[in-house]
Amino acid sequence: DSGVTQTPKHLITATGQRVTLRCSPRSGDLSVYWYQQSLDQGLQFLIHYYNGEERAKGNILERFSAQQFPDLHSELNLSSLELGDSALYFCASSVEATATAEAFFGQGTRLTVV
Amino acid sequence: GEDVEQSLFLSVREGDSSVINCTYTDSSSTYLYWYKQEPGAGLQLLTYIFSNMDMKQDQRLTVLLNKKDKHLSLRIADTQTGDSAIYFCAESGDNYGQNFVFGPGTRLSVLP
Repeated sequence: DSGVTQTPKHLITATGQRVTLRCSPRSGDLSVYWYQQSLDQGLQFLIHYYNGEERAKGNILERFSAQQFPDLHSELNLSSLELGDSALYFCASSVEATATAEAFFGQGTRLTVV
Repeated sequence: GEDVEQSLFLSVREGDSSVINCTYTDSSSTYLYWYKQEPGAGLQLLTYIFSNMDMKQDQRLTVLLNKKDKHLSLRIADTQTGDSAIYFCAESGDNYGQNFVFGPGTRLSVLP
């Protein structure tokens, strides 16, 4: 158990819908990272938050948004969903803000868009 | 845009050395990383190298960087069955993850 909790574990939704994925970092970790892993696009870094502020942005679509709340949990919002958004969405947390710091990964949320 | 390439598969015998190669296109890459992903799990950062270094060694892992050719390699000495996993090469423009790009991953199979 990494200490990082992602909910829900599985999500099936229709095209055009909006979903929210939640990540609770390990206790004491200030950084949260979001990643998307799919067969079509491989592994992509989406966004990084540190202590409530956006630190780095990757290949995150405009239809997607994220935030980190004062209690440090983070949510990834995906809207106007398309079939190609079907993927495993991972979050990770670390104590530090740097990408070279050890990060702990959640089990992921598997999103299926039908 | 930035691109990172890796061979998709590698098979080695237990006890041999494994060498996983990666090429990248972004000359402004500052940090280069190797991650490991075991089945059904998230990523584990194995090691990283800063772009002004040529080599980094950490126990059984050796990273070589040829900045001129934009080529990165990961050597695993005395490969064990527990090393079977997918290995991702990645690059970023800074240490916060800006312009972070992953390669497609190399599936390493270790044969007994």
